[in-house]
Amino acid sequence: NAGVTQTPKFRVLKTGQSMTLLCAQDMNHEYMYWYRQDPGMGLRLIHYSVGEGTTAKGEVPDGYNVSRLKKQNFLLGLESAAPSQTSVYFCATRQGGKTQYFGPGTRLLVL
Amino acid sequence: GESVGLHLPTLSVQEGDNSIINCAYSNSASDYFIWYKQESGKGPQFIIDIRSNMDKRQGQRVTVLLNKTVKHLSLQIAATQPGDSAVYFCAETLQGAQKLVFGQGTRLTINP
Repeated sequence: NAGVTQTPKFRVLKTGQSMTLLCAQDMNHEYMYWYRQDPGMGLRLIHYSVGEGTTAKGEVPDGYNVSRLKKQNFLLGLESAAPSQTSVYFCATRQGGKTQYFGPGTRLLVL
Repeated sequence: GESVGLHLPTLSVQEGDNSIINCAYSNSASDYFIWYKQESGKGPQFIIDIRSNMDKRQGQRVTVLLNKTVKHLSLQIAATQPGDSAVYFCAETLQGAQKLVFGQGTRLTINP
């Protein structure tokens, strides 16, 4: 039981490049979330999903897209990366309760 | 908008002492609160939670206190150990909401 995993762990992009971050969970949780965390700051919600095939915007959705084609996977896409998107990205899941369980994070550097 | 905040961004304590990390929230409709611990290079880890119909909840070496009158939440760590060094976040959620609102975080450092 791996819980929540994120791929890749670290990535360097040039401005304008695109990439997709993968979050995978084996807990059969309905809800999945993508956050970003900048130095010295808390977590800010980018997008989330309340179930397979659904997505919704969070606090800072601009510049990102998401998809939840399968219940166990939640993809975060950057179509045209900008230096302001340099951050650590965390995925989280939850089931019926309100506690969210986090993955180990993906560190992204945009040059 | 509604927000969750922390009184102290950093806290330094002696090993073996008790630590108290504070959090203020502004939304009286919040009905559930969580404390997370985040070690360097890792994702946040659930520590303890409390519902708004409770004033206190205890775990292993940790206690969360909720004062709804002044909208204040605290995390007490007993006999602080080096492994407790981390950033601690409080989070709140509103009744019926799908999302958590996180505070900025407090960095706890342990002096030997």
